[in-house]
Amino acid sequence: DADVTQTPRNRITKTGKRIMLECSQTKGHDRMYWYRQDPGLGLRLIYYSFDVKDINKGEISDGYSVSRQAQAKFSLSLESAIPNQTALYFCATSDPTSGPYNEQFFGPGTRLTVL
Amino acid sequence: AQSVTQPDIHITVSEGASLELRCNYSYGATPYLFWYVQSPGQGLQLLLKYFSGDTLVQGIKGFEAEFKRSQSSFNLRKPSVHWSDAAEYFCAVGPPQGGDKLTFGTGTRLAVRP
Repeated sequence: DADVTQTPRNRITKTGKRIMLECSQTKGHDRMYWYRQDPGLGLRLIYYSFDVKDINKGEISDGYSVSRQAQAKFSLSLESAIPNQTALYFCATSDPTSGPYNEQFFGPGTRLTVL
Repeated sequence: AQSVTQPDIHITVSEGASLELRCNYSYGATPYLFWYVQSPGQGLQLLLKYFSGDTLVQGIKGFEAEFKRSQSSFNLRKPSVHWSDAAEYFCAVGPPQGGDKLTFGTGTRLAVRP
């Protein structure tokens, strides 16, 4: 079984709809991240959470919100989706106890299309 | 602000040929350096990382990377490419003080000719 899972894997929605992308992990890591990937732009950090009570904005948080429901779950919401939020979204986790700089483990991604 | 440049958007090599993917960074100090691979339909997987010490770093799947401070580069190499290496490759940097926030390059898509 995958250590980091994302649901749904694909989603098509319409402008103005509220969308939630979910991420679950079985790695026992405290730190979780949401990125979006756009062609030619690489990955950009949307939000990150170092534990259940610690949530921080990343590089491109406008238009997004997150919820850390438990150590293992980190959800990303688009309150009112717009077409330029069409992208591939990745969740990632890391373990802060593994050293000064920690490998991030990625989920398989959610492809979101906003019409 | 830190930045990462991967100047090659697409590269095509023949199976069995050698490979070098370029990565240049801009940072006030030597950052932590990473290479990730994204296979089709998959998330990113760490290939290798450099923090300090030996400037030639060995990774998984037969990849290696060399850190060159004078050139602010961290190029990824493989002596003999396999068809299964076709993927997108991302260079990433993190601040020298740590903290897990990575800045990714725009990626290089590798195609492998049979």
